[in-house]
Amino acid sequence: EVQLVESGGGLVQPGGSLRLSCAASGFTFTKYWMHWVRQAPGKGLEWVARANVDESTTNYADSVKGRFTISRDNAKTTVFLQMGRLRADDTALYFCVRDRDGYNTALGYWGQGARVTVSS
Amino acid sequence: QSALTQPRSVSGSPGQSVTISCIGTTSDIGAYDYVSWYRQDPGKTPRLIVYDITERPSGVPDRFSGSKSGNSASLSISGLQPDDESDYYCCSFAGDYMVFGGGTKLTVL
Repeated sequence: EVQLVESGGGLVQPGGSLRLSCAASGFTFTKYWMHWVRQAPGKGLEWVARANVDESTTNYADSVKGRFTISRDNAKTTVFLQMGRLRADDTALYFCVRDRDGYNTALGYWGQGARVTVSS
Repeated sequence: QSALTQPRSVSGSPGQSVTISCIGTTSDIGAYDYVSWYRQDPGKTPRLIVYDITERPSGVPDRFSGSKSGNSASLSISGLQPDDESDYYCCSFAGDYMVFGGGTKLTVL
């Protein structure tokens, strides 16, 4: 069974940093792109970032480019989202997501999310 | 990286059919055959219901069908059931990013 368990969320001041982790299990981690998707309170889904199997390709939404970094530790089957220069509009539930089939065209499995609140 | 455009809400009665539209551009929906749809029940995690425009993951009933024409995509739901009431999101692969629609709330009257 595919499991994605996020951790590291919390309350942080504007301008601060936070690192989210996502522990993956139940599948061959090195075969799949991994993504982060967020959802602000009461709002829709927003794609944030993705990394390919060996992290040679990483992509970001314009809204986080230059502030967030996605990375992965294949030995520990964990994906990370390092978030910096946080702003109030980064407040959201952050989902760790595995692509459906290894081809990076659909988001097949979702974690429960880690809540990030940016506030003074 | 502009969001795809979906209607805020649609509604239908049990047994009827509804269609949710998703309008993109030549950079996303119009450029790739990789449109996917997700439903999100209140307080729950989103789940994939259609991928690659028309394909359904196992367990998703064939009452749910997807299509695409030009820069737009659609999700059709036939034989509406009360359990279909949910938020629905379209998403498109767009090369070096992915983009979601704003979401559509489906109400089953």
